[in-house]
Amino acid sequence: NAGVTQTPKFRILKIGQSMTLQCAQDMNHNYMYWYRQDPGMGLKLIYYSVGAGITDKGEVPNGYNVSRSTTEDFPLRLELAAPSQTSVYFCASTSLAGVDTQYFGPGTRLTVL
Amino acid sequence: KQEVTQIPAALSVPEGENLVLNCSFTDSAIYNLQWFRQDPGKGLTSLLLIQSSQREQTSGRLNASLDKSSGRSTLYIAASQPGDSATYLCAVEAESGADGLTFGKGTHLIIQP
Repeated sequence: NAGVTQTPKFRILKIGQSMTLQCAQDMNHNYMYWYRQDPGMGLKLIYYSVGAGITDKGEVPNGYNVSRSTTEDFPLRLELAAPSQTSVYFCASTSLAGVDTQYFGPGTRLTVL
Repeated sequence: KQEVTQIPAALSVPEGENLVLNCSFTDSAIYNLQWFRQDPGKGLTSLLLIQSSQREQTSGRLNASLDKSSGRSTLYIAASQPGDSATYLCAVEAESGADGLTFGKGTHLIIQP
């Protein structure tokens, strides 16, 4: 199993540009999450999904959108990128929330200039 | 709102020492508490997960305890090695389960050879 994969690993955007961060898992997990990590800080939840077709906002959803059309994929869309969105983005998944640990991807480092 | 605090923020010790990392949380309504390891530029690796009904979990040289009523957890690392150098993150999962983890800012650990 590849686990949780994320692409791209690095990206530089200009203010106002848009992009999609890709996340995929091959463990047949229903629960998937997007977090962001700012320097010296813990991770903060952006969006989460409990299954295909179901998504919900986390703590810091402004400026982002998600979709979940399949169990495997959970892309994160940034519209009109701003410098405040410069961060490292992590995708995670788990088989059963509250019981199993979350498995994290390697992250996408995004810089908005 | 759940808040997770980790003390100390940074720690540097000689190889071979036993050490304790501390984590506290403000809301005791949790499903579980998890400890992760993060290496520079990498994703998170799960170390231990303690369910709210458990008092401790052990894996090799690692032992994590949980006192849910007082909102505290400790991660004990025995016989530290240079390879243990990393950032250790504590996270709690709320009883609602599906809405992700709340993380502390982490303890940056350096083990001196």
